[in-house]
Amino acid sequence: KAGVTQTPRYLIKTRGQQVTLSCSPISGHRSVSWYQQTPGQGLQFLFEYFSETQRNKGNFPGRFSGRQFSNSRSEMNVSTLELGDSALYLCASSWAGGLGNTIYFGEGSWLTVV
Amino acid sequence: GDSVTQMEGPVTLSEEAFLTINCTYTATGYPSLFWYVQYPGEGLQLLLKATKADDKGSNKGFEATYRKETTSFHLEKGSVQVSDSAVYFCALSGYNFNKFYFGSGTKLNVKP
Repeated sequence: KAGVTQTPRYLIKTRGQQVTLSCSPISGHRSVSWYQQTPGQGLQFLFEYFSETQRNKGNFPGRFSGRQFSNSRSEMNVSTLELGDSALYLCASSWAGGLGNTIYFGEGSWLTVV
Repeated sequence: GDSVTQMEGPVTLSEEAFLTINCTYTATGYPSLFWYVQYPGEGLQLLLKATKADDKGSNKGFEATYRKETTSFHLEKGSVQVSDSAVYFCALSGYNFNKFYFGSGTKLNVKP
């Protein structure tokens, strides 16, 4: 069974540009969540989608957005990139949610903003 | 709000030494507790989990017990190997949705 797949794995962008990251969940998983990982802030929750609807959102500015398609694949977009957006962006998928539900992570997309 | 606190690293041990990584949490209700491991250049992998008080999660020689009275979920292993070198994250999730709260991570270095 294929795991969570994230593309691209590495990318370099210039300040002010925008970026789109893609995530394909494990087959059958309907929930996709996104996390930002930085050395200073650790792992921070961005948002979670289930059946194409955003169910929960973290404390990030509106420049960070996402969406989910009918096949459960998800994308996140960051507009007007800032140097501080340089991070590892991790996607995680799971069946649905609820007590004890486990999320499974992809290998991440490394974003460098210069 | 919900949060997780885990011991600062790095932790450096010799092979076959005993490992403990402390983790405490603050949460409303009855969260589920997890340990994830991250190897260099990779995403996080589930190591073990526990969903109710006094549950013990175990995997690959690692163990952690959900202690509600002390709000703790300490990770232990009796004999570490060089291959256990990685960053370990303690995490919790509430009942609804998939919003996980992670600790800051503890880097483990095991020397031969």
